[in-house]
Amino acid sequence: QKEVEQDPGPLSVPEGAIVSLNCTYSNSAFQYFMWYRQYSRKGPELLMYTYSSGNKEDGRFTAQVDKSSKYISLFIRDSQPSDSATYLCAMMGNNNDMRFGAGTRLTVKP
Amino acid sequence: EPEVTQTPSHQVTQMGQEVILRCVPISNHLYFYWYRQILGQKVEFLVSFYNNEISEKSEIFDDQFSVERPDGSNFTLKIRSTKLEDSAMYFCAGSLLNEQFFGPGTRLTVL
Repeated sequence: QKEVEQDPGPLSVPEGAIVSLNCTYSNSAFQYFMWYRQYSRKGPELLMYTYSSGNKEDGRFTAQVDKSSKYISLFIRDSQPSDSATYLCAMMGNNNDMRFGAGTRLTVKP
Repeated sequence: EPEVTQTPSHQVTQMGQEVILRCVPISNHLYFYWYRQILGQKVEFLVSFYNNEISEKSEIFDDQFSVERPDGSNFTLKIRSTKLEDSAMYFCAGSLLNEQFFGPGTRLTVL
């Protein structure tokens, strides 16, 4: 079993749709959960950071962590064409050794 | 807003040559990292650096790799004898605590 699993997509939605992105993981030591956005040939850009289980909302973005199920999600409301990118989940324990998912390529069509 | 910067943006080298990739982290960050991303693959952790020493390293970070922060601002990754499979994007990142902020990356091409 891979340490972090993420469906690579691609995922295509119409503008205005709600997007749901997900990752599962196997390492119960992970406590910090991040979502990054990456445009083609650019560095990952931190979108959301969550510690332990719970929800966090920032504008159109909501991150959810369910440690009991080892499952994290990112929701994007009212998606825009500018949201088209690859979304990476990432997580780590106390050692700052961050593990990434494969990334989901999202296209939002006007 | 402060940003992590990396130079060069693209480095082309011959197999067996040494390369040094450079990063200037955000000034108040305490932890520094290198990651790599082979084309079409996931971002992979290489090494973390804190208080002028390596704190964690992955199995990828073998004796061919080294890092240093010689002057308190630049953070470098050296690959002593490059191999074809070292071709990848290399990202520097920094953090104050746990939230890591990435630079734009250096594309390394080994011929």
